[in-house]
This record gives sequence, structure tokens and C-alpha cells, in this order.
Amino acid sequence: DAGITQSPRHKVTETGTPVTLRCHQTENHRYMYWYRQDPGHGLRLIHYSYGVKDTDKGEVSDGYSVSRSKTEDFLLTLESATSSQTSVYFCAISESRTLNTEAFFGQGTRLTVV
Amino acid sequence: AQSVAQPEDQVNVAEGNPLTVKCTYSVSGNPYLFWYVQYPNRGLQFLLKYITGDNLVKGSYGFEAEFNKSQTSFHLKKPSALVSDSALYFCAVRDMLGTYKYIFGTGTRLKVLA
Repeated sequence: DAGITQSPRHKVTETGTPVTLRCHQTENHRYMYWYRQDPGHGLRLIHYSYGVKDTDKGEVSDGYSVSRSKTEDFLLTLESATSSQTSVYFCAISESRTLNTEAFFGQGTRLTVV
Repeated sequence: AQSVAQPEDQVNVAEGNPLTVKCTYSVSGNPYLFWYVQYPNRGLQFLLKYITGDNLVKGSYGFEAEFNKSQTSFHLKKPSALVSDSALYFCAVRDMLGTYKYIFGTGTRLKVLA
């Protein structure tokens, strides 16, 4: 399995509080992604990164921010959590050496906003 | 815009019968297509990919996929289904026009009946 660790694996938080999810990789891959998974919607891209300090928005980025200060870490922050952000969050990585490679996924973080 | 569609929310098949999970795509240029499987409470696992070449792609766990350019389809197949194949399956396409993000379908739940 690709070396991807997401933390925490589970979290319950209150509406209005900030929350940070961490994705850590040991593969030295250039591309990193944050997705959320919701029934009926599949996986939707929140933000992605194509290098240190290089990030961009995905299709559902409102209410989320990211940072990547090191190759191995990609942080997702919910600035003020809302109930609509209750979801399962997945981090994925992909190497840059060949662009036709698959992405590898972490185990996910189940976030509940009450 | 690049996209994939999975027209079936659920597919039921009897154990030992062949299975097909459907995926159609819409891309500009040559498509880079992927299939993933997700077991309960797990991350996504890569099954196979189409880049170029043979239209029949073989992957993990006995799965294969047929690429059809004229029908813009990339259906996942297996000659003989196992109960253990029951899972959620996702089709994905990689955006090769600058962002290199992976775009996923909504998923198809496969249920193999004993």
C-alpha cells in the first residue's frame, strides 16, 4: 500500500468550530488531493496541490482551505464547520514522473459536525 | 469539461455469473480512465486503467475493462462474480488539460448474491 496516513480517522466537532485534517505521505509524490464522499455524489474534489505552496480549488471548495508547506503534508481546514460538511474525507496522492499514473488513497476521515 | 457517468446506482448479479459495471466518459483529447473499488469503511483501491493500446485492459482480482472509443464507454467486467466482489465501484478520468485532477463518477454498488 502507498504510504498515506490520514489523521484523525474519526472526529466529532461542533458547528462553528475550526477543524484541521492532516494527510501525510511518505512517497514523495508531487500531487495531493482532498476529496469528500457523500451518498449519491461519489467523490468530489475539494482542493488539490501540485507542489509545495502550490494549491488550487476543486469543485466544492467553499468553506475549506488548504496548506502545503512540505511535500509530505497536505492540510485541509474547515474554517467554521457546518452540518453540511459532515462527510467522509479522503486524501489521495499521485506521482508526477508519468502523468498517466493512478492515484492512491488514504483510509479516510469520518467527520461529524453536530 | 471532463466527466464520467455511472448510470446504475446498484447492480445485482448471482455468484458465478458474469458481471458488468457501466461507465461512460466525456473528455477532450485522449482519455486516461481508471476503475477503483471501495470496501466498507476503507479507502479506494485501484483496479485497472486505460491509457492507450489494447481496448481490453486486465486488472486486479480478475477484473477487466473494455474501452470503446465510438461509444465513449469503459465498462468494468468479470467473467465469474464472487460474493467477495460485493463493494462500491468508481470510474474516474484524469484531467490532462492542465490540472491533472481525477474526476470520479457517482459510484455503482455491486451486490453479488450467493
